[in-house]
Amino acid sequence: SQTIHQWPATLVQPVGSPLSLECTVEGTSNPNLYWYRQAAGRGLQLLFYSVGIGQISSEVPQNLSASRPQDRQFILSSKKLLLSDSGFYLCAWSIRSGTEAFFGQGTRLTVV
Amino acid sequence: GQNIDQPTEMTATEGAIVQINCTYQTSGFNGLFWYQQHAGEAPTFLSYNVLDGLEEKGRFSSFLSRSKGYSYLLLKELQMKDSASYLCAVGRGSYIPTFGRGTSLIVHP
Repeated sequence: SQTIHQWPATLVQPVGSPLSLECTVEGTSNPNLYWYRQAAGRGLQLLFYSVGIGQISSEVPQNLSASRPQDRQFILSSKKLLLSDSGFYLCAWSIRSGTEAFFGQGTRLTVV
Repeated sequence: GQNIDQPTEMTATEGAIVQINCTYQTSGFNGLFWYQQHAGEAPTFLSYNVLDGLEEKGRFSSFLSRSKGYSYLLLKELQMKDSASYLCAVGRGSYIPTFGRGTSLIVHP
């Protein structure tokens, strides 16, 4: 069966510090991978998606970046965090020709 | 681009029926999803509609009208544990889910 792992669950970082959130998927090959952000009281905002290794599409311009160094690994990064980067970050995957997306447990990031 | 609208908040009584509506405007439509999200947790998948009509799954049903850009999620025999946010999401292009802001459902005794 397929599983998705996302860590850490919670993170408190100072403004200007770097960020690295990692997500890995097991039990499937060549998945579509996604990073979403959910601000308090807001919907899920798609940040990045990837349809293959090294292929990253950005939906929203910002100071975040994403990379996919391996088929089932998706990393969200920032060189310098802003206060506005605080939120609930969710990694998700779906099969290439499939339907629903499956979400990781999420990372609650607080930038102070 | 995409535009997905759903009510911000709804309240209902335990044991009752509630309908949560979602309207959308999008290009390259590839289906409509409903997710449930409890506070502080990740969304979990409820239903997927790609053809017009009603899909029933236990206490939850979902309806789609592609010509009207309209869907609803119907929850029957409401339970307290159904208190959560319900997210409408539209699939487009390479099955990329785009989410609305979600409807916060409060079920009271």
